[in-house]
Amino acid sequence: EAGVTQSPTHLIKTRGQQATLRCSPISGHTSVYWYQQALGLGLQFLLWYDEGEERNRGNFPPRFSGRQFPNYSSELNVNALELEDSALYLCASSLVPGVNTEAFFGQGTRLTVV
Amino acid sequence: GESVGLHLPTLSVQEGDNSIINCAYSNSASDYFIWYKQESGKGPQFIIDIRSNMDKRQGQRVTVLLNKTVKHLSLQIAATQPGDSAVYFCAENDRGGKLIFGQGTELSVKP
Repeated sequence: EAGVTQSPTHLIKTRGQQATLRCSPISGHTSVYWYQQALGLGLQFLLWYDEGEERNRGNFPPRFSGRQFPNYSSELNVNALELEDSALYLCASSLVPGVNTEAFFGQGTRLTVV
Repeated sequence: GESVGLHLPTLSVQEGDNSIINCAYSNSASDYFIWYKQESGKGPQFIIDIRSNMDKRQGQRVTVLLNKTVKHLSLQIAATQPGDSAVYFCAENDRGGKLIFGQGTELSVKP
């Protein structure tokens, strides 16, 4: 069974541009979570989607947004990129909405803003 | 504010020894806590979790202890192996689909 898959694995953008990151959850999982892992820091919660709706949001500015599609895959968009947005962005999925026990993480997308 | 933190940023142990990784948390309302292992270039991997109404839970070579009185969580790894070398994170579930992660402890196993 395929795990959580994220694309692209690496992304380089210029300050001010927009970045789009994609995530496909494990088959059957309806909840998708996004986290930011900046260098030297722990994971910071960004967004939680379930059944196409945004259920919760972390302390990030509005230029961080996303959506979930009918097939439960998800997209994270970061507008007006800033240098400090450079980080590993991780997606996770879970079978039970909002229950993170044994939530499965993808390998992440490494975003570099130059 | 809410936070989950770690006492030690790095831990170096000899192969075969037991490892203990500690974590402090501040939010008493969390219903369970989770330990993750993250190897270089990979996403976090679930190790073990414990519900807030438990004090101890054992898995394969790992034990998690929860002390709610002092808001302390620990992960014990028995007979540490080179493959255990990684960064370990504790995380707290805050019931809103959000995990609050600690900063992480890097475990290095010497052969």
